[in-house]
Parts: sequence; structure tokens; C-alpha cells
Amino acid sequence: DTAVSQTPKYLVTQMGNDKSIKCEQNLGHDTMYWYKQDSKKFLKIMFSYNNKELIINETVPNRFSPKSPDKAHLNLHINSLELGDSAVYFCASSQETSGAPQFFGPGTRLTVL
Amino acid sequence: GESVGLHLPTLSVQEGDNSIINCAYSNSASDYFIWYKQESGKGPQFIIDIRSNMDKRQGQRVTVLLNKTVKHLSLQIAATQPGDSAVYFCAENAGGTSYGKLTFGQGTILTVHP
Repeated sequence: DTAVSQTPKYLVTQMGNDKSIKCEQNLGHDTMYWYKQDSKKFLKIMFSYNNKELIINETVPNRFSPKSPDKAHLNLHINSLELGDSAVYFCASSQETSGAPQFFGPGTRLTVL
Repeated sequence: GESVGLHLPTLSVQEGDNSIINCAYSNSASDYFIWYKQESGKGPQFIIDIRSNMDKRQGQRVTVLLNKTVKHLSLQIAATQPGDSAVYFCAENAGGTSYGKLTFGQGTILTVHP
């Protein structure tokens, strides 16, 4: 009965590779997000989708491409991985686009070697 | 543990004490605020929220206070337990065209000693 789930939990890969992280929510929410948490625990929003439509793109490099096949899924594809991409990536969802709590997944720890 | 090397504000309390975690927010247009708890290796967990038309909201063992004049938010945890040990984040949302964009604070490490 997991509300927001992500796969994989851990991802270790070489520089230059392309990888994807998947996210699914079973809360019936309309809005989904991707956040990046760096080594200092700082959390920053990357993208937000509402009903499969992109509504926030926080000047993330275009190597990062979110894809929302339906409103319950928001996947994150990363091309040409760089060392600086190493971080924990969190997916989240909320019922509304504003003024509603966001519920986070367990995170994906990405390590680029 | 995970806190090694982190230079976040820290708060150490004894089990049973009350804890107060403070947060200064930056945007005077923010109209919605949330507190999250993040345990080691897990995602942020929603604790409590408050809208800007309120100055206090209570939950189970937690109270959030909002002072818009000085842009300050606090989280009070009553009868703190070892299971409350975690990193606590405040987050603000400016509403309007910011949609669901949450801006997070730097986090505070709470350690509860038995």
C-alpha cells in the first residue's frame, strides 16, 4: 500500500551513461514532482507535472528529461551522466498544484563514478 | 551516521522534554508552509502545514507557529521521544504562479537522548 514508490533505490553508474528512475503514486493525485537532495541535505525542486503537463522546470540541464505517461507516473531520464549528478532524487505528489502537502517517495541514491 | 560532515543546525534534547525547531523564511509572498521530518535513508515525511491566514496550528504532539511580521516559523514537539530524532525541514510556497514549488530551508538535526 506504498503511496509514492520509486525504483531503483540505488543506482551506481559510470560517467557518460544514460539512466532512468521511475516513480509511481497510488494516491490519485494530479501533480507530481522531482526533487534533488545534495550531500548537504539541501532539497531543491527540479520539475513538476500536473495531469501529464509540465508546469515547473527549474533551469535543470536538458540532459534531464521527465516523462509522464499518465498522471500516476513521472519518470526521470538522465543522459550523459556527470559526477555532479550524484545525489538522492525524490519523487513527490500532491492533490493540488498549490497549497497542498506534497508526499515524498523513499528516494533513489544515484552515484556517478 | 549520516549526520557526520553535515553542518546543519543541531538540537539535542532529553527524552520527555519539549523541542522547538525554528525556521526563517525568505519570501514575504509565501502563503503556505509545511514541516517535514526526514529520517536517515528515507524520504521527507509530512508532519504539519499552516496557511498564512493562521498563526498557530496544532497536531498530535506538534504545534506550528507562524509569525509573518518577522517571517519566522517554528515547530514545537511535545514530550520528545527517541523516534523523533531526524532532520526537520521547513518549506514555503509562494502560491499563485509558483504553483506547487516548495522552497526548503536548510534543515535542523534533532537528536533525542534516552
